[in-house]
Amino acid sequence: NAGVTQTPKFRVLKTGQSMTLLCAQDMNHEYMYWYRQDPGMGLRLIHYSVGEGTTAKGEVPDGYNVSRLKKQNFLLGLESAAPSQTSVYFCASSYSDGTRSSGNTIYFGEGSWLTVV
Amino acid sequence: QKEVEQDPGPLSVPEGAIVSLNCTYSNSAFQYFMWYRQYSRKGPELLMYTYSSGNKEDGRFTAQVDKSSKYISLFIRDSQPSDSATYLCAPHSKGSSNTGKLIFGQGTTLQVKP
Repeated sequence: NAGVTQTPKFRVLKTGQSMTLLCAQDMNHEYMYWYRQDPGMGLRLIHYSVGEGTTAKGEVPDGYNVSRLKKQNFLLGLESAAPSQTSVYFCASSYSDGTRSSGNTIYFGEGSWLTVV
Repeated sequence: QKEVEQDPGPLSVPEGAIVSLNCTYSNSAFQYFMWYRQYSRKGPELLMYTYSSGNKEDGRFTAQVDKSSKYISLFIRDSQPSDSATYLCAPHSKGSSNTGKLIFGQGTTLQVKP
């Protein structure tokens, strides 16, 4: 019963280094998201995807890139890490069953703690 | 103005107290009103949601929506130390259900003291 799995959980990067955060979901969800969470700022949407091969910008997309080559995976890339990208990153996925009252329930991963020094 | 606003707290109450957590929003198209609970160093989990206006009760939790004033509330009765967490509201529209662009409030951190 894995749900949404993020790797790695912890990472320290030097300024200018690149890295990729991997998110995998086993619930066959169409939608996937990357959020960052900072003290006093709440969850802010970085990028999201409504299906395999599609991505879109969220509230704070600058400095990040994403790819959704497979339905179950959503990758978040930092090409040149900056200290301002020190944060906790959450991946999430969701579905909507199309009924009027269902809304969109989002399932989150456990988070990835990233420090850029 | 942010689309969704919450007082970040922290809010500290004694065990057994009634807790009121609130959220305001600006987009009149919002129809679904979700509350997520996040324990320390964990990902958020859906606590409950309502559709359109009115109240919804689930055990000790009651969600209330006033669309005329764009105000969302979550009430916790007989609060317990295990309720200590951050509570995030996430209102959204049917359109955002389809597009996937879901936005959260900042979250209110609650501490219930034994």
